[in-house]
Amino acid sequence: DTEVTQTPKHLVMGMTNKKSLKCEQHMGHRAMYWYKQKAKKPPELMFVYSYEKLSINESVPSRFSPECPNSSLLNLHLHALQPEDSALYLCASSQREGDGTQYFGPGTRLLVL
Amino acid sequence: AQSVTQPDIHITVSEGASLELRCNYSYGATPYLFWYVQSPGQGLQLLLKYFSGDTLVQGIKGFEAEFKRSQSSFNLRKPSVHWSDAAEYFCAVGSPSNTGKLIFGQGTTLQVKP
Repeated sequence: DTEVTQTPKHLVMGMTNKKSLKCEQHMGHRAMYWYKQKAKKPPELMFVYSYEKLSINESVPSRFSPECPNSSLLNLHLHALQPEDSALYLCASSQREGDGTQYFGPGTRLLVL
Repeated sequence: AQSVTQPDIHITVSEGASLELRCNYSYGATPYLFWYVQSPGQGLQLLLKYFSGDTLVQGIKGFEAEFKRSQSSFNLRKPSVHWSDAAEYFCAVGSPSNTGKLIFGQGTTLQVKP
């Protein structure tokens, strides 16, 4: 089973709201990733977690706050977002960081009003 | 600088025709190479990957790709395209020396004519 699940599928929020995106995998992978994807563009890496510790932060604004409570779960907490943050947010996982193959979830479509 | 180039932004082929999507990379080390496919509004699905060994790689859905080191290319092929293959295709490179970061090409949109 190579499934990564993400909830919710769609999210609409105002600029003053606080919301969270959730990602889960049960493949025993120890690296998890958050990507942001705008329409007609490739995914852009935001964060990498390795063994539940933040390994890479690609200079993401602090209004995005990642959290990895355990090896199966990855959250992305959102606060005071801007309309330009509207995008598809993808989660991915791999056995280890840098071992190559990343498996992606279906994504959360976020609209910021 | 590390980069991936997919020269064709948009390709249209007839159903049943053969397909080749091009990918060129610039990478200092020996790369890991991937092709992903993305249907509208969906996540990315791994089609195939190359790490080492046989340079002709077989993937899912009847796709294959060939690694050519001399040309820094990893082109994706399919002998007979089905209407369900219409999607966005991304080539990506990675390396264990580059932690978990994948570098993606800009993508190629495949349209299939009936």
